[in-house]
Amino acid sequence: KQEVTQIPAALSVPEGENLVLNCSFTDSAIYNLQWFRQDPGKGLTSLLLIQSSQREQTSGRLNASLDKSSGRSTLYIAASQPGDSATYLCAVRPGNQAGTALIFGKGTTLSVSS
Amino acid sequence: DGGITQSPKYLFRKEGQNVTLSCEQNLNHDAMYWYRQDPGQGLRLIYYSQIVNDFQKGDIAEGYSVSREKKESFPLTVTSAQKNPTAFYLCASSQQGVTEAFFGPGTRLTVV
Repeated sequence: KQEVTQIPAALSVPEGENLVLNCSFTDSAIYNLQWFRQDPGKGLTSLLLIQSSQREQTSGRLNASLDKSSGRSTLYIAASQPGDSATYLCAVRPGNQAGTALIFGKGTTLSVSS
Repeated sequence: DGGITQSPKYLFRKEGQNVTLSCEQNLNHDAMYWYRQDPGQGLRLIYYSQIVNDFQKGDIAEGYSVSREKKESFPLTVTSAQKNPTAFYLCASSQQGVTEAFFGPGTRLTVV
């Protein structure tokens, strides 16, 4: 059964630092991988979607990479800001075809101090 | 404005009572999902539906029921058989798992 792990569980950095969040999954047969942001008490906001055939996606200060064969993805945040403070969740859509549901990691809670 | 709405935002349930959480989307997505989130845990899948009048159980379906009579609506009923229903419930949709999944703002259910 597919399992998703995120390390570290929590991270505190000063403003301006570049940082990397890690996500690993046990079964390399995935359809796509998605990174989300969640603020306290709120729903999830989609950040980046990487299809299984892609290696990376970029949006502004965010860059997500995917290494399907090793079961890993990273989310790189450049020049962190206090507004980046939130929980970041990684999720994979298992299988080789559409029609399955996302499986989530437990998230990394990021705190950026000014 | 396209998106997913969930209501109510907060819900209180008495012991032995059934309650229904609403989820509506106007994104014209085929697939809809219900997840439960507990403190310190990731999101866990309750039910999902790929098309109208069809749905599949997720990992924690016991004590829950759903219906999918319309493409835009996927209500979740928390029955009295669910022994620990206090949690944050999130609804999502996507276009048959090909595109991004989008989430609603969530409903916080508390047993009183």
